[in-house]
Amino acid sequence: EVRLEQSGREVKKSGESLKISCKASGYRFSSYWIGWVRQMPGKGLELMGIIYPGDSDTRYSPSFQGQVTISADKSVSTTYLHWSSLKASDTATYYCARHDDVDIVATIDSWGQGTWVTVSS
Amino acid sequence: QSALTQPRSVAGSPGQSVTISCTGTSRDVGAYPYVSWYQQVPGKAPKLIIHDVDKRPSGVPDRFSGSKSGSTASLTISGLQAEDEADYYCSSYVGNYNFPYVFGSGTAVTVL
Repeated sequence: EVRLEQSGREVKKSGESLKISCKASGYRFSSYWIGWVRQMPGKGLELMGIIYPGDSDTRYSPSFQGQVTISADKSVSTTYLHWSSLKASDTATYYCARHDDVDIVATIDSWGQGTWVTVSS
Repeated sequence: QSALTQPRSVAGSPGQSVTISCTGTSRDVGAYPYVSWYQQVPGKAPKLIIHDVDKRPSGVPDRFSGSKSGSTASLTISGLQAEDEADYYCSSYVGNYNFPYVFGSGTAVTVL
């Protein structure tokens, strides 16, 4: 069974750094694109970026380029989402998500449970 | 890349059918056979219910069906049930190296 287990809720202040994690199990971690999806309170889903753990090929949606860093550690089957300096507007739930195809990255077949991040100013 | 356009809400009585539209352009929905639909119950992670326009993953009830015409995709829920009350999001492949797909704006389905 494919599982994506995310780290727990975070409460931070503006300007602080943060790294949240997503541990995969039940499949070959290196062979599937993992993405991070933001959902701001009461809003829709936004793709932030994707990473292919096999070779760490990482791509960012234009709105998130330079705002976050996505990384992966194959030795522990874990993907990370990192902020160097949080803003209040980063308050959201963040989901990691596995994509079902290596070549056509279009469909998410498994989701993590979400990590709620609250940033106070 | 702008979000795909969905109606903000739709409603139906138990047993009725509802259809949610997902309108894009000739560069996304109209260009590729890769439209997906996700169901999100409040407070939970989304769940895939349709992929590749009209394919249902194992375990998804057959009352959920997908279709596409031109630049508009649709999700139909037949025989609406109380447990179908949720938010629904479409997504479409756009073929961009950095931004491979875009989500729709989301539709809240209410079972009256």
